[in-house]
Amino acid sequence: DPKIIQKPKYLVAVTGSEKILICEQYLGHNAMYWYRQSAKKPLEFMFSYSYQKLMDNQTASSRFQPQSSKKNHLDLQITALKPDDSATYFCASSQESWGSNQDTQYFGPGTRLLVL
Amino acid sequence: QQQVRQSPQSLTVWEGETAILNCSYEDSTFNYFPWYQQFPGEGPALLISISSVSDKKEDGRFTIFFNKREKKLSLHITDSQPGDSATYFCAATITGNTRKLIFGLGTTLQVQP
Repeated sequence: DPKIIQKPKYLVAVTGSEKILICEQYLGHNAMYWYRQSAKKPLEFMFSYSYQKLMDNQTASSRFQPQSSKKNHLDLQITALKPDDSATYFCASSQESWGSNQDTQYFGPGTRLLVL
Repeated sequence: QQQVRQSPQSLTVWEGETAILNCSYEDSTFNYFPWYQQFPGEGPALLISISSVSDKKEDGRFTIFFNKREKKLSLHITDSQPGDSATYFCAATITGNTRKLIFGLGTTLQVQP
């Protein structure tokens, strides 16, 4: 059974619209993340949450808003979509051992977003 | 400006050969380096990792060599198999409140039977 579920797998949106990317993890982890993978760019860190609290935000735009309704959920709301937002968005999670940066981050299968 | 650089961009080896993937970084505060393997259509999966206090880490056919002074790492895949064909990402992170992983652009490995 998949341990990190991302929905939908594929998403096509029109410029200016709003979409929510869903992420659920069943690993019992306390930390969750969002990364973005665009063509010809490295996997890019966006957000990290620990115990449902925002720890780090590396996105320059407020159009990207993470939402954590439950400990094992971290959704990503994207508003006013632009073609440049087209990318694969990966959710990840880790155990979150206190003071350690060496917890393995486990990645989900990703949501491929295409903005027309 | 890329903080983590990988080379080559792509690599083809024959089955049974050793593939060598290179990684370098700029920030001397990086102290943990995981390598991820990604197959098409899937998310990255941790393959092997090394801490900056070590100079070598081995796990089966996969070995990381780490040179802290030169800020370089390499991933050696011995006895390469067609199933190893994937994209390999070198990543780095630092101790602190963030768990941000900084990734390189990746090396796409093709193992020919």
